[in-house]
This record gives sequence, structure tokens and C-alpha cells, in this order.
Amino acid sequence: KQEVTQIPAALSVPEGENLVLNCSFTDSAIYNLQWFRQDPGKGLTSLLLIQSSQREQTSGRLNASLDKSSGRSTLYIAASQPGDSATYLCASDTGRRALTFGSGTRLQVQP
Amino acid sequence: NAGVMQNPRHLVRRRGQEARLRCSPMKGHSHVYWYRQLPEEGLKFMVYLQKENIIDESGMPKERFSAEFPKEGPSILRIQQVVRGDSAAYFCASSPPSLDGNYGYTFGSGTRLTVV
Repeated sequence: KQEVTQIPAALSVPEGENLVLNCSFTDSAIYNLQWFRQDPGKGLTSLLLIQSSQREQTSGRLNASLDKSSGRSTLYIAASQPGDSATYLCASDTGRRALTFGSGTRLQVQP
Repeated sequence: NAGVMQNPRHLVRRRGQEARLRCSPMKGHSHVYWYRQLPEEGLKFMVYLQKENIIDESGMPKERFSAEFPKEGPSILRIQQVVRGDSAAYFCASSPPSLDGNYGYTFGSGTRLTVV
């Protein structure tokens, strides 16, 4: 059974810092891994999707990497802004189309 | 493209009543998924449906919960005889048929069910 863990659970940084969010998974036979953002009381916004054959994906100030052999993915946020404050979720798909989510990292970027 | 549409956004039910949650997938998406987020917990998979078929319901509670995705109309998640423990945010997601490429999953804004 796939288990997904995210650390840290919460993070507070001053504006402008570069930061890294970590995601680990127990079953390396994943089909893809997806990062989402969730704002309080809102739905999920897809940020990046990494297929199992890929090593990383980039979108603007966001970069996500995937290392299947070690069961890890990282989300790198460059030059953080107060608008980046949200909960960041990673989710793995083993091909059954049933995503397994981590518990998330709550990010607060201080102006 | 209006994205994944869920309604209602908020639903209040008394214990013992029925709750019906609706989800219209993105245009071109024929696969629908339901997830539940209990207070202070992560999202948990409930069920995966295609038109007129339940593909995987391994995350659905055995009793009181059912889901359907008819040939016409939205997908419905139905909870009978609700209890306080059913209070949660219920999210619907959709995806296109193919598993190849950057298909990803698109989520709706959720329905927040409160049982009083």
C-alpha cells in the first residue's frame, strides 16, 4: 500500500527566500507524481505533473524533481512571495488512478 | 472551459437525512473521481467512475455511501442517513481517457458537508 509523507508539516519564511518542500513515497512503482496547491477553504490547483520517465518539471518559479529509486520528490519555489502562502500537497499515482496524497506542507510567506 | 463544477459548495444536513453531491467533469473528460478530506486530515480516495460504470470503489465506506455517473448528467455522490462523522469536504476530480502524456487530474472546488 502506497504511503506518502511530506515534510516539513509547516514552514514560515520571509519574502524572497528560496525554499524546498519534500515528498517521499514508499512504492517506487509510480506512474506519475503531481503537486497541488490548496488555499484555505478552496479546492486544489494543479501545479506540476511529473511522469515516471521524467526527472523534473518547471513552471515559472516552481521546479519539481522526481527520484523514483529513492522514493522522493521535491518542490522548489524560487523567490517566494506572500501570494505563495498555501498548503502544498503531493500525490502519487501508481496507475490505478487512485491518487495517494501526503498530508501537506502549510507554507506562510511573511511580507 | 468551466473546469470541474461541483454543487452545492456548502451543504448542511441533519443527522439521518440524505446528502447528494454533484460533479460535472471538464469538457472532454470521461473519468471522474471522488475524494474526501476530513477535518485536519489529508485527502482520501473514495471512488473512480466512468460513464455508467464504477471502476474502483475501494475507498468507499461499505454502508450508506454510493456513487454513480450516468450516461447523461453529472456524477452523484450519495450519502444516506448522514452522521456527524460524515462532515468533511468532498472533492471531485476528472481526467481524460488516456493515461499517456501530461493528462493530470483537475479538481473541483469541493462541497463542504456539515452534519448537525
